[in-house]
Amino acid sequence: ETGVTQTPRHLVMGMTNKKSLKCEQHLGHNAMYWYKQSAKKPLELMFVYSLEERVENNSVPSRFSPECPNSSHLFLHLHTLQPEDSALYLCASSQGADEQFFGPGTRLTVL
Amino acid sequence: KQEVTQIPAALSVPEGENLVLNCSFTDSAIYNLQWFRQDPGKGLTSLLLIQSSQREQTSGRLNASLDKSSGRSTLYIAASQPGDSATYLCAVKDDYKLSFGAGTTVTVRA
Repeated sequence: ETGVTQTPRHLVMGMTNKKSLKCEQHLGHNAMYWYKQSAKKPLELMFVYSLEERVENNSVPSRFSPECPNSSHLFLHLHTLQPEDSALYLCASSQGADEQFFGPGTRLTVL
Repeated sequence: KQEVTQIPAALSVPEGENLVLNCSFTDSAIYNLQWFRQDPGKGLTSLLLIQSSQREQTSGRLNASLDKSSGRSTLYIAASQPGDSATYLCAVKDDYKLSFGAGTTVTVRA
């Protein structure tokens, strides 16, 4: 595997479900990011981890819970989501503040 | 709060024409500026990165300029091809945070 990978690529869940999104980077980077892309809206930064510590939490509801167990892996735990949370969730990584590289995204649909 | 605007929102050109995509930002204290390409339902592909101290970057048919003092960047795509059809996103970075524009959706007609 090369670059940034995300699983699953597609996810459909009910509002009472609990699920997790996974991101893995194979670039040796020390920073990882979660973004949300909703229809007709610019990408929104959700969380930033640098050296496995969260450095940014962009006023995201608590039903989204990030986890960064090491510099190569990033998770987004989801629980009791709302239909308006349906979106493309993108993971990215970088070395410090340098160029960010993005994964293919997870298309999430909340019923 | 940094705000990034991209004009136009959509663009349709015949094959072979040059493309000019504009990006403006409100806070000139940026670390760098990145241009991305996004195909429908897919992730982002980085095209060009311009550091705040640079004026332009070139890669093949792509050239991006940066005027930090006026808060503007322009992406030029020479001799467009149908394969260039996609949404192009501009993003500016301050510290760790990337702020994105809404994108310009380009259609190149064969």
